[in-house]
Amino acid sequence: DAGVIQSPRHEVTEMGQEVTLRCKPISGHNSLFWYRQTMMRGLELLIYFNNNVPIDDSGMPEDRFSAKMPNASFSTLKIQPSEPRDSAVYFCASSLSSGNTIYFGEGSWLTVV
Amino acid sequence: AQRVTQPEKLLSVFKGAPVELKCNYSYSGSPELFWYVQYSRQRLQLLLRHISRESIKGFTADLNKGETSFHLKKPFAQEEDSAMYYCALKGAQKLVFGQGTRLTINP
Repeated sequence: DAGVIQSPRHEVTEMGQEVTLRCKPISGHNSLFWYRQTMMRGLELLIYFNNNVPIDDSGMPEDRFSAKMPNASFSTLKIQPSEPRDSAVYFCASSLSSGNTIYFGEGSWLTVV
Repeated sequence: AQRVTQPEKLLSVFKGAPVELKCNYSYSGSPELFWYVQYSRQRLQLLLRHISRESIKGFTADLNKGETSFHLKKPFAQEEDSAMYYCALKGAQKLVFGQGTRLTINP
């Protein structure tokens, strides 16, 4: 298995534009997590899904952020409109809900100018 | 509520010296604790978990429920240990991380 796959790896966008980050979890994993990493705040859990259903979105910073998981092999994190303070590395991770090891993707490096 | 605290954002030690990265947690249930490592510009990867009681790359961590701690230790640091280290707590299905400690090993 190629592991958790994220795209794009790097994105630079202008303030106000819509940003869509994509994630393909490891095949067979039924839990999916979106994290944001910044120097100031470290790793923050934004939202996680279990069997494609959002379970906890309390970490989503505001209404500009939304996440979907239309099927077991794909999830998106959308920011609309984007702001410079959204600049961060966004990690997707997946696991078996019965397991205790979470596997991370390589991250999407977002810069909003 | 789950909370993980890593009090040191930065830690610098000399090669061959002992290393201890501190982690304290807060959780009302029975915790599962982990250490993840992130080498420069790479993805996070699991280093070790408390239930395995294993030693990985010379690192060990013992869960102390009385002190609610899960400190990461290595007796002799190596230059390749320089990385970002995150302590994490799993309650139910959610994995919550501390803010991380950037470890630098000086030659």
